[in-house]
Amino acid sequence: DIQMTQSPSSLSASVGDRVIITCRASQNIRNYLNWYQQKPGKAPNVLIYAASSLQSGVPSRFSGTGSGTDFTLTITSLQPEDFATYFCQQSYNSPRTFGQGTKVEIK
Amino acid sequence: EVPLVESGGGLVKPGGSLRLSCAASGFTLSSYTMSWVRQAPGKGLEWVSSVSSSSRYIYYAGSVKGRFTISRDNAKNSMSLQMSNLRAEDTAVYYCARETDDGTYYFESWGQGTLVTVSS
Repeated sequence: DIQMTQSPSSLSASVGDRVIITCRASQNIRNYLNWYQQKPGKAPNVLIYAASSLQSGVPSRFSGTGSGTDFTLTITSLQPEDFATYFCQQSYNSPRTFGQGTKVEIK
Repeated sequence: EVPLVESGGGLVKPGGSLRLSCAASGFTLSSYTMSWVRQAPGKGLEWVSSVSSSSRYIYYAGSVKGRFTISRDNAKNSMSLQMSNLRAEDTAVYYCARETDDGTYYFESWGQGTLVTVSS
């Protein structure tokens, strides 16, 4: 199985900050990397798919980069509604696997 | 209209069984690869099982293989997860999710989840 490792596991940031979350795959997954946002008590929602494609309706302050084994999710100018947990997920093969999550908290 | 709705969760004793259902609306569930993903309380997301659109390919996480069975009911436009020999570590919110069919394979739509609690 492909292991997905996210860092950091949590971070504190202020509104307006730039936030970067990284995700590393245990093998080459090309660009089959997706990012989800989850708020407490809710199902996850996709933000970025195929490493860098912004899902329809997602604000442009979210962006993704990377290919192969190393990926990043960047949130420019963090907004109050962005405080949530973020997960990466590989869709290169089955079983689909997720990173352990990054909780973004208010500083 | 909510496209995916799970049901069937509840409290069950260790060793017991439970059947979860996922009803689809607004689209034909059999046209998509569908998955179950779970989340233990306070923990991350864990993929559990997937069934391809043709039902030709079925996959299970190692932690549930031999105990869980995924299936479709095309007439009811629904999917099920039969869970047996349940353990405390199966306690989680179970989501059904639809995977895209355009080669990107991400989970584009999720249900609201159903809670399964395994406890004596």
